[in-house]
Formats: sequence, C-alpha cells, structure tokens
Amino acid sequence: DAGITQSPRHKVTETGTPVTLRCHQTENHRYMYWYRQDPGHGLRLIHYSYGVKDTDKGEVSDGYSVSRSKTEDFLLTLESATSSQTSVYFCAISEPRVSYNEQFFGPGTRLTVL
Amino acid sequence: AQSVTQPDIHITVSEGASLELRCNYSYGATPYLFWYVQSPGQGLQLLLKYFSGDTLVQGIKGFEAEFKRSQSSFNLRKPSVHWSDAAEYFCAVASGSNDYKLSFGAGTTVTVRA
Repeated sequence: DAGITQSPRHKVTETGTPVTLRCHQTENHRYMYWYRQDPGHGLRLIHYSYGVKDTDKGEVSDGYSVSRSKTEDFLLTLESATSSQTSVYFCAISEPRVSYNEQFFGPGTRLTVL
Repeated sequence: AQSVTQPDIHITVSEGASLELRCNYSYGATPYLFWYVQSPGQGLQLLLKYFSGDTLVQGIKGFEAEFKRSQSSFNLRKPSVHWSDAAEYFCAVASGSNDYKLSFGAGTTVTVRA
C-alpha cells in the first residue's frame, strides 16, 4: 500500500470554526490531491498540488484553501466551516513520471460540521 | 471537459453469478480510464486501468474491463462474484497523458446475496 496517512480520521466541529486536515505521504510523489466524497456525486476534486508551493483549484474549491510547504505534506483548510462541508475527504497522490495518471488514495477523513 | 456516467446506482447480484458494471465517458480523444473499488469505510483501491493497446484489460481480484471507442464505454466485468466483492465501484477518466486530474463517476454500489 502507498504510504499515505490522513489526520484526523474523524472530526466534529461547529459552523464558523476553522478546520485543517492533513495529508502526509512517504512516497515522494510530486502530485497531491484533495477530494470530497458525497452520496450521488462520487469524488469531486477540491484542490491539487503539482509541487512544493504549486497548487491549483479543482471543481469545488469555494470555501477551501490548501498549502504545501513540503513534498510530503498537503494541508486542506476550511476557513469557516459550514454544514454543506460535512463530507468524507480523501487525499490522493500520483507520480506521472512513473505511473501516468494513476492515483493512490489515503484512508479518508470524516468531517461533520454541526 | 470530460465527464463520466455510471448509469447504475445499485446492483444486486447472487454469489457466483457474473457481474457487469457500466461506464460511459464523454471525451473526444482516447482517454485514460480507471476502475476503483471502495469497501465500506475504506479508501479507494485501483482495480485496473487502460491507457492504450489491447482494449481488454485484466485487473486485480479477477476483474476485467473492455474499452470500446465506438460506444465511449469502459465496462467492468467479473465472471463469478464473491461475497467480498460487495463494495462501491467508481469509474474515472483523465483526458490524456498531460492531464493529471481525474473525473469520477457517481459510483455503483454492488450488493452480493448468498
């Protein structure tokens, strides 16, 4: 299994509070991704990174920001959480030079915003 | 932008019976195609992928998929399902070698009855 961990694995928070989710990899893969998974929608891309300090938006980026100061860590921040951001969040990594577009996924973080 | 359609939200199949999950994509050129499986409470695991060449690809756990350009389809099959195949299955597409993002279908949930 690819070395990807996510923390925390579960979190309950209140509307309006900031939340940061962490993705950590030990594979030295260049690309990292944050998705959210909701019933009936599959996985939707929030943000992705193609190198340290290099990030770009996905299809559902509103209300989220990301940072990548080291190859191994990719942080997802909800500046002011809303109930619509209750979801399961997955991190993924890929290294196109080795395996084209194949992405490897972490175990997920279940976030509940009350 | 490419899109992916999985027409079946839920499929129930008897143990030992065959299984076919449908996937249609919308993209002009030859895409990179993937099938992932997600067991309850777990992350996504890659079953198989298609980039080029032989249109019938073999994957893990006894699954195979066939790329049909004329039908814009990439259907997943297994000749004889096991109870452990109960999971959610996602089809995903990337638009080509320079597209490092995946678009996912909404998923198909497979229930296996004894």
